[in-house]
Amino acid sequence: AQSVTQLDSQVPVFEEAPVELRCNYSSSVSVYLFWYVQYPNQGLQLLLKYLSGSTLVKGINGFEAEFNKSQTSFHLRKPSVHISDTAEYFCAVIRNTGNQFYFGTGTSLTVIP
Amino acid sequence: GAVVSQHPSRVICKSGTSVKIECRSLDFQATTMFWYRQFPKQSLMLMATSNEGSKATYEQGVEKDKFLINHASLTLSTLTVTSAHPEDSSFYICSAPGLAGRMETQYFGPGTRLLVL
Repeated sequence: AQSVTQLDSQVPVFEEAPVELRCNYSSSVSVYLFWYVQYPNQGLQLLLKYLSGSTLVKGINGFEAEFNKSQTSFHLRKPSVHISDTAEYFCAVIRNTGNQFYFGTGTSLTVIP
Repeated sequence: GAVVSQHPSRVICKSGTSVKIECRSLDFQATTMFWYRQFPKQSLMLMATSNEGSKATYEQGVEKDKFLINHASLTLSTLTVTSAHPEDSSFYICSAPGLAGRMETQYFGPGTRLLVL
């Protein structure tokens, strides 16, 4: 079975500072990895995904993530955050042959002016 | 790009009534759709997989008689919460895989917030 752990439930950070949101997964098979953002009372928006190839993945809104197979991690980073980045962020995995998403518990990012 | 819509966006109902939530794939066909439930400050939990033309597959612990799913066409799946109770209040989100059903291309609906009084 797959599982996803987001180590930080809440991350406050000052505007224009860098941020890293951590995600670790466990799986006995190859997986695809995703980061989604959810604004209040809205659905999920895909930030980026790793399917194969380069382990550094660039997404929308200046976010990027690095897939580390040995550490089974897929941490999300942004070098300089904006107020508008305040939202809930979810890490998710699916097996590359599967049909079910497994979501982490989410990290609430609050950008402080 | 592909879009998934949900209707209504929010609904308030009395305890004991039934509520229907629609999930539509716009400009693409979806033989499979997924229904998730999200409680406040929690993650999305898969409730069931909706299959066009056949019965839905429910996750363990989800009552199929309470959460009726009908996938009547290639662009529409409906979730009916029957005899809703306050504990059913939640945010319900559907999703559909795009690109010929490939799971890694998943489109999520905007969600439906259900409040049962």
